[in-house]
Amino acid sequence: GNSVTQMEGPVTLSEEAFLTINCTYTATGYPSLFWYVQYPGEGLQLLLKATKADDKGSNKGFEATYRKETTSFHLEKGSVQVSDSAVYFCALRGGATNKLIFGTGTLLAVQP
Amino acid sequence: GAGVSQSPSNKVTEKGKDVELRCDPISGHTALYWYRQSLGQGLEFLIYFQGNSAPDKSGLPSDRFSAERTGGSVSTLTIQRTQQEDSAVYLCASSSDRGLAGNTIYFGEGSWLTVV
Repeated sequence: GNSVTQMEGPVTLSEEAFLTINCTYTATGYPSLFWYVQYPGEGLQLLLKATKADDKGSNKGFEATYRKETTSFHLEKGSVQVSDSAVYFCALRGGATNKLIFGTGTLLAVQP
Repeated sequence: GAGVSQSPSNKVTEKGKDVELRCDPISGHTALYWYRQSLGQGLEFLIYFQGNSAPDKSGLPSDRFSAERTGGSVSTLTIQRTQQEDSAVYLCASSSDRGLAGNTIYFGEGSWLTVV
């Protein structure tokens, strides 16, 4: 069945460092891919998405490219801020099911 | 409403009691999901409603869990004879799609359930 694997956390970075959070997936067909973010004390919200191969989703300086050849959707940001500290979830939807299937989440802590 | 609304936001219940959690999806959204978020467990799919189709109940962990959606809008998740391992945040989400996987799914703030 469909599944998502993302890198274990926590990830601790200094402000202005480069961020990569790896995400790979297994799915039948052509799923849509998502990154959701959960800031401390807040609900889950969509960060960015890509619905077909080679699409790049971007928002708030974050980017992720849908790579079908490597079944990946890695999240990147060139210069993180303290306010980016949150839990990031990679997710997919589609193929044989319309369920949104999440990875386990990666805690990012950015220090000043 | 403007977003997905869930109630109660916090619930403390005694082991063995039944609880009901309510979700008001975004107006007009045909798809509704329930997820559970436990400490260290990530986001666990529970159940999915899509329009008038039979719900996908494949994620419900036991027969103590059930959910219904009345009139294609409000949904109630019921947990019978609660156990301590049921303690978690229960998240509801909705989407406007009709089977379009790329449509955004919007989440509520969640209902924190603590079973003591």
